[in-house]
Amino acid sequence: QVQLVESGGGVVQPGRSLRLSCAASGFTFSFYAMHWVRQAPGKGLEWVAVISYDGSKEYYTDSVKGRFTISRDNSKNTLHLQMDSLRPEDTAVYYCARGSCGGDCPFDCWGQGTLVTVSS
Amino acid sequence: AIRMTQSPSSFSASTGDRVTITCRASLGISTSLAWYQQKPGKAPKLLIYAASTLQSGVPSTFSGSGSGTDFTLTISRLQSEDFATYYCQQYYSYPRTFGQGTKVEIK
Repeated sequence: QVQLVESGGGVVQPGRSLRLSCAASGFTFSFYAMHWVRQAPGKGLEWVAVISYDGSKEYYTDSVKGRFTISRDNSKNTLHLQMDSLRPEDTAVYYCARGSCGGDCPFDCWGQGTLVTVSS
Repeated sequence: AIRMTQSPSSFSASTGDRVTITCRASLGISTSLAWYQQKPGKAPKLLIYAASTLQSGVPSTFSGSGSGTDFTLTISRLQSEDFATYYCQQYYSYPRTFGQGTKVEIK
């Protein structure tokens, strides 16, 4: 079945870096755009970034532009989020999610999330 | 960015009640709207897309309507497993944006 499994979360000091990964299975990964969405403790959902099915296009929310980089390896069915210059306000559960079609689509499959805590 | 505003933020209801949640977009988004359900400690689950299309496997007690800027999610008969937080999301343009969420609690 379709499955997304995130990894790489943890506790990190402000200003440091962390790389999240999302392993996909059960579907043809290279056909779908992939997203990262985060949720701060007790708060709502915030979209973070998207990468097109072939990796040629990326978009980011303003608060992470220049600090976060989304990437994918279609040969390994894996999505990544490189997070640099982390701030306390980046503390959240990070979910990877699949765009359900090739264009403007909702997110029809989500991982279980990985917690990132930015604290000194 | 398109701002999505849900109302109410929370409310209490009883099993069997009919409940409606509204979502307003700050700009017209046609029908590029999705509704998600999230339970504590779990990932969100897609319920409805294209404003009114039920995702496969979602009970028919859920329905959605609207276009442009005003949308609604209706649960025709609230069941125990429906107590959760609901989010609307626009996928009309980037950045994708979510409403702030509506928590449905047991009365």
